[in-house]
Amino acid sequence: DVKVTQSSRYLVKRTGEKVFLECVQDMDHENMFWYRQDPGLGLRLIYFSYDVKMKEKGDIPEGYSVSREKKERFSLILESASTNQTSMYLCASSLGPNTPNLPLHFGNGTRLTVT
Amino acid sequence: AQKVTQAQTEISVVEKEDVTLDCVYETRDTTYYLFWYKQPPSGELVFLIRRNSFDEQNEISGRYSWNFQKSTSSFNFTITASQVVDSAVYFCALSEAKSQAAGNKLTFGGGTRVLVKP
Repeated sequence: DVKVTQSSRYLVKRTGEKVFLECVQDMDHENMFWYRQDPGLGLRLIYFSYDVKMKEKGDIPEGYSVSREKKERFSLILESASTNQTSMYLCASSLGPNTPNLPLHFGNGTRLTVT
Repeated sequence: AQKVTQAQTEISVVEKEDVTLDCVYETRDTTYYLFWYKQPPSGELVFLIRRNSFDEQNEISGRYSWNFQKSTSSFNFTITASQVVDSAVYFCALSEAKSQAAGNKLTFGGGTRVLVKP
């Protein structure tokens, strides 16, 4: 079974702090994703990566950056956290790169609160 | 731009009742994929089904069934004889197949919370 592990289940940070959300998958998947989940809005794609050091913006990249130095790890970075970034963050992975539209495997999520 | 609408934000049923979750989508592409995911209280989204735009056959998997109607741009999900373990948030999602990048960008609906009471 694919395992996607997010390093923290809950995080509380202060406004202006730099925040790192870490995600690791153990199935050698090429594609990795960061989504944000807010009530009534569903999941919205922040960034995704289909290879090491490759990244593509999703629908809401503003205020975020990502890093993928190793295939199994995909980090989401909030350079200067703001209260409107309080949300649930979900990491996902899928097999790729030549096989789009495959189901995603999700982690349990990190609930981030910015005060 | 593609869009997925799940008009029902929350549905509450008593165990053994049937429940149908609506999903309506918008896309300009003729080739696309539709998905349903379940998010139990643990938080991890679990894949339930994928359907491509050329396959309009309905599908049944145990107590779950899906009705895909291209004419109305709908992909509805029914849970028959609901159980308490079905309590979760359910998401419908759409991806376009025109490119690798597009095929990896899922557009999700807002989700429907299902509460099954014993």
